Amino acid sequence: DARVTQTPRDKVTEMGQEVTMRCQPILGHNTVFWYRQTMMQGLELLAYFRNRAPLDDSGMPKDRFSAEMPDATLATLKIQPSEPRDSAVYFCASGLEVDTEAFFGQGTRLTVV
Amino acid sequence: EDQVTQSPEALRLQEGESSSLNCSYTVSGLRGLFWYRQDPGKGPEFLFTLYSAGEEKEKERLKATLTKKESFLHITAPKPEDSATYLCAVQEVASGTYKYIFGTGTRLKVLA
Repeated sequence: DARVTQTPRDKVTEMGQEVTMRCQPILGHNTVFWYRQTMMQGLELLAYFRNRAPLDDSGMPKDRFSAEMPDATLATLKIQPSEPRDSAVYFCASGLEVDTEAFFGQGTRLTVV
Repeated sequence: EDQVTQSPEALRLQEGESSSLNCSYTVSGLRGLFWYRQDPGKGPEFLFTLYSAGEEKEKERLKATLTKKESFLHITAPKPEDSATYLCAVQEVASGTYKYIFGTGTRLKVLA
């Protein structure tokens, strides 16, 4: 059963703390996306990688967010320091190619208090 | 400014009552339009991709169509299990990179 796996599913943290979200893409997919979903803004693309190389991170606040792919089976999204406005559901998705459909994980619900 | 607008925001249908959801877009260079379904507490689930005006795709009770300015998701004789939020997303290429813009979705409720 091929699927995108995200951990943790829920995270509550205090303002100023570092948060790391992890994603295991579907084996064989060469593209990984990070999205953020809020009630106000909907789904927003933060960054994406192809063959582990970052192609676009223009949707990501550079001063506090960073995204990496240490290897083909792991993508990480880090927020340091976290702020209450970062509270959202963060989705990782993977695809065979950049321009094909994306398969989404279950998301990480982040609450910053 | 590139935009994707979905309407209506919410829709309640009786089981068997067919209807259509709209996704209108203004982008400089459309490469593809995607429809996803999202259930509460879950990630979006892929439904269709459309690439050119006039294209149609069907799956069970759903049919997606595309024109130069909008896409429709037609739901024929819906069932309660079709209740979900339906999202459309536009893919375009700008400055050599792919951009993805999602609409805010249509929340569909089908009553038994």
